[in-house]
Amino acid sequence: DTEVTQTPKHLVMGMTNKKSLKCEQHMGHRAMYWYKQKAKKPPELMFVYSYEKLSINESVPSRFSPECPNSSLLNLHLHALQPEDSALYLCASSQDWPGQGGNTGELFFGEGSRLTVL
Amino acid sequence: GEDVEQSLFLSVREGDSSVINCTYTDSSSTYLYWYKQEPGAGLQLLTYIFSNMDMKQDQRLTVLLNKKDKHLSLRIADTQTGDSAIYFCAETFQAGTALIFGKGTTLSVSS
Repeated sequence: DTEVTQTPKHLVMGMTNKKSLKCEQHMGHRAMYWYKQKAKKPPELMFVYSYEKLSINESVPSRFSPECPNSSLLNLHLHALQPEDSALYLCASSQDWPGQGGNTGELFFGEGSRLTVL
Repeated sequence: GEDVEQSLFLSVREGDSSVINCTYTDSSSTYLYWYKQEPGAGLQLLTYIFSNMDMKQDQRLTVLLNKKDKHLSLRIADTQTGDSAIYFCAETFQAGTALIFGKGTTLSVSS
């Protein structure tokens, strides 16, 4: 199984709603990531979890709250979002950091969750 | 800060070669990557090159790395309509713990 599975594929929410995006991988990868991608733009890093601990938060607003319940799951909790938060949210995983134990640092991406905030 | 530059658009005819260029910033990046994104999909790794290599060939793909100029290129031989997509180069940042992506080159292949 070389897949990263993201649910839901599409989400529409109002600015007062609370929702969550979910990501799952069963490749035994120890690093998991959330990226945000606006149309016609590259993915921008939001959060990195390593061994189930948050290691990087790229100054993301607190209305986005990540959670890593176990080594296979990564959630992104959403609350009080703004219309400009509408984007494709991509989850990714990697075996380890590039160069660690000969690892190439390849990221495996899910198909993304397309979020629309009204 | 980090900034990975790419030209935004490339249009070629089927059967021609495509060359996508990238300029990166972090000279300590151990690996450099090319990812492909088709419409409505996530990113898929196409190929990567180790920083001590100048060239890597993988079937129709050739990656060239010029470390002095921090220039990376991807050549696709015999380009097909199925190669139409956005291509991102990427390097490591945050002390190698994550990837930063270039702006992406939209490749359009006409038959």
